Amino acid sequence: EDQVTQSPEALRLQEGESSSLNCSYTVSGLRGLFWYRQDPGKGPEFLFTLYSAGEEKEKERLKATLTKKESFLHITAPKPEDSATYLCAVQASRGYALNFGKGTSLLVTP
Amino acid sequence: NAGVTQTPKFQVLKTGQSMTLQCAQDMNHNSMYWYRQDPGMGLRLIYYSASEGTTDKGEVPNGYNVSRLNKREFSLRLESAAPSQTSVYFCASSEASAADTQYFGPGTRLTVL
Repeated sequence: EDQVTQSPEALRLQEGESSSLNCSYTVSGLRGLFWYRQDPGKGPEFLFTLYSAGEEKEKERLKATLTKKESFLHITAPKPEDSATYLCAVQASRGYALNFGKGTSLLVTP
Repeated sequence: NAGVTQTPKFQVLKTGQSMTLQCAQDMNHNSMYWYRQDPGMGLRLIYYSASEGTTDKGEVPNGYNVSRLNKREFSLRLESAAPSQTSVYFCASSEASAADTQYFGPGTRLTVL
């Protein structure tokens, strides 16, 4: 059975304090791994898609990396506006659904 | 482009009532999805439509029906609402089904009393 586990559940950072969020997964045949950002009361907002181990993608202060067992979302010098819940999801090669983790709630304080 | 739109934003139902959640996308996407999000759980797929004219069950389809009205619109119907269907419902769309990014709507918050 496909599983996605995100850690930590919650993370509090000071502005400028870099850190990483973890997404561990087990899936029979990875088609893609997706990172989303979700603000309270809103729908998930797409950040990155990674397809194969070793792949990396960057956008502003965020960088996503992928290995065969996990993905990291690195946040460099975060700002308060980066506060949100970050969701990781995998799509297996046999299906269409995104299998989501429970998310990491990030709070960045000034 | 509005992207993915959903109506209504909020709804309160009594047990046994029926309702339809509406979803539309203006990105000319082929595939559309309905997910539910509950506290302490990840988003879970209810139904999806890989292309116009087709629909398939996801992980949690019981108590729901869907209609792919045309390429733009995909509706979710609760025939006899139950308290266990209290949730936030998200519609999503993607260009195709396989490894394409799914773009989400703003959600419908449903409470069943």
